[in-house]
Amino acid sequence: GQQLNQSPQSMFIQEGEDVSMNCTSSSIFNTWLWYKQDPGEGPVLLIALYKAGELTSNGRLTAQFGITRKDSFLNISASIPSDVGIYFCAATSGSARQLTFGSGTQLTVLP
Amino acid sequence: NAGVMQNPRHLVRRRGQEARLRCSPMKGHSHVYWYRQLPEEGLKFMVYLQKENIIDESGMPKERFSAEFPKEGPSILRIQQVVRGDSAAYFCASSPQRSTDRGPQHFGDGTRLSIL
Repeated sequence: GQQLNQSPQSMFIQEGEDVSMNCTSSSIFNTWLWYKQDPGEGPVLLIALYKAGELTSNGRLTAQFGITRKDSFLNISASIPSDVGIYFCAATSGSARQLTFGSGTQLTVLP
Repeated sequence: NAGVMQNPRHLVRRRGQEARLRCSPMKGHSHVYWYRQLPEEGLKFMVYLQKENIIDESGMPKERFSAEFPKEGPSILRIQQVVRGDSAAYFCASSPQRSTDRGPQHFGDGTRLSIL
């Protein structure tokens, strides 16, 4: 089946630093999404990407849909303590409606 | 996660009992998706429903699991004769249209199912 390889698995950064995480796959996707999940809660949509090469920002977050349609990255600039959580990439392919999820990146922001 | 309402938030069952999980989609959304999440893992798709129809159940175990989305009322995920391995967080998502048509999925806060 389709798989998303998300890295890194975890990150420890200082407050104020920039963060980058990415997802890659051997399969082609036509939608990429980035979610954040806090403990005990459901994933919250951060950014949705619908076109290869698309670069979209949401405040301090920037994400890109890779030109090959097989990857995406998420950048967080000037991290703050509330950025702590698990970030998931997710994607859909042309015929499938369900989301395929990456395994997540656990982000810890140190004061 | 305002909008998609799941209940109960926590559910404890003994082996062999039935678990019934409910999901009310966001207002105006007619598409519902169920996902399962094990600790330290991403979400795994189970089933996709529209009102009164199961569209894709390719991620659903063949036995003991069923889902419905009636014309009136919430979507229900039912697990019969639960076993320890069913312990997980179950999330519901909804979208106004197919997710491939610029209708991203929005998630509820999940039901944490624990099997004793």
